[in-house]
Amino acid sequence: QQQVKQSPQSLIVQKGGISIINCAYENTAFDYFPWYQQFPGKGPALLIAIRPDVSEKKEGRFTISFNKSAKQFSLHIMDSQPGDSATYFCAASMNSGTYKYIFGTGTRLKVLA
Amino acid sequence: GAGVSQSPSNKVTEKGKDVELRCDPISGHTALYWYRQSLGQGLEFLIYFQGNSAPDKSGLPSDRFSAERTGGSVSTLTIQRTQQEDSAVYLCASQAGAGQETQYFGPGTRLLVL
Repeated sequence: QQQVKQSPQSLIVQKGGISIINCAYENTAFDYFPWYQQFPGKGPALLIAIRPDVSEKKEGRFTISFNKSAKQFSLHIMDSQPGDSATYFCAASMNSGTYKYIFGTGTRLKVLA
Repeated sequence: GAGVSQSPSNKVTEKGKDVELRCDPISGHTALYWYRQSLGQGLEFLIYFQGNSAPDKSGLPSDRFSAERTGGSVSTLTIQRTQQEDSAVYLCASQAGAGQETQYFGPGTRLLVL
């Protein structure tokens, strides 16, 4: 119940294309779903996050789509750029005094120039 | 400082030696997490501190691993009698505290056990 399943493990996209990464969770008590971006040699950094009261959140080229009934959420990167090449982690958490994350296994994205 | 800092950035040690990894969280953040990231893998939760509460040690892989947080700020992760399988990047994250969602990560310490 505490797992977050992320797919695909790796993804190659042409420059200008759309990158889509999917995550699924089991625990309906989760109420916060962030995506983190990690470049080689760096720590993960928050990219965008969503709460289950909305079905979509967009920040620039990055959009989270959230399907509460299916317990799934996804990250869409529009007009993908080589600079987007990184590892992306989804996570889920709930407010149990603090927000402790359950992370997905990560997706390594490569955007070809 | 402005962000989470970790030291050393790289550590090479011999099997059987003890190592200490340090994390300086963002000032005022009451929650602090340690994660382990093996090469090309995801983030494995190790331990979590929240204020003065007892730490959540549920992710520590063995009794060779321990961590402390002094004065509610700096944290040290200690690995005793290191093994080659301990080689990984050790990440620290801090969080403002109760009700605050975002975790801010440091750059990590890359540990190599020979």
